[in-house]
Amino acid sequence: QKEVEQNSGPLSVPEGAIASLNCTYSDRGSQSFFWYRQYSGKSPELIMSIYSNGDKEDGRFTAQLNKASQYVSLLIRDSQPSDSATYLCAVFPSGGYNKLIFGAGTRLAVHP
Amino acid sequence: ETGVTQTPRHLVMGMTNKKSLKCEQHLGHNAMYWYKQSAKKPLELMFVYSLEERVENNSVPSRFSPECPNSSHLFLHLHTLQPEDSALYLCASSQQRQSYGYTFGSGTRLTVV
Repeated sequence: QKEVEQNSGPLSVPEGAIASLNCTYSDRGSQSFFWYRQYSGKSPELIMSIYSNGDKEDGRFTAQLNKASQYVSLLIRDSQPSDSATYLCAVFPSGGYNKLIFGAGTRLAVHP
Repeated sequence: ETGVTQTPRHLVMGMTNKKSLKCEQHLGHNAMYWYKQSAKKPLELMFVYSLEERVENNSVPSRFSPECPNSSHLFLHLHTLQPEDSALYLCASSQQRQSYGYTFGSGTRLTVV
């Protein structure tokens, strides 16, 4: 069974701080990695994708990938209360793009 | 309409009812998916339709029956459901064989009473 693991949280950070969200995956052959944000009662929204080792920055968000350690992370700089949501890590396992596998998500709470 | 639209947004049904969920994508994608999201669990992939071919998930009970008449429309037919089937049902679409991730609809919140 190919799995994606996340700490369920909640991760509580003060406004303006850096939030660090982590994800590990079991399929060493995985090629594509995604972070989705899901507000309570809403559907997941794609916020970051990363395909190669290293960092990828987009505004206040930075995704980090380490394939040797099978580890993906999402950093949110200058966290805002509006960032409070559940963050889902998703992975395409080896063998194609017909099955995007999700972790259970980490709930982030940013307090003023 | 843009993106992926799902109807209805909320559905309450009895265990003996038959109902259908509808999904339509306006993105020109050629693959569509049904996911189930239960509290505190990962999204569970139920069905995949790519190039109008169904990929089975053998763990999904037969009381869930998908239908994909064309690349833009996807249905999930429901009959004789159980209370544990209460969940958020999400439709998604993508361009098959490309690694850009999936786009989700707003979901149907299903309650089985």
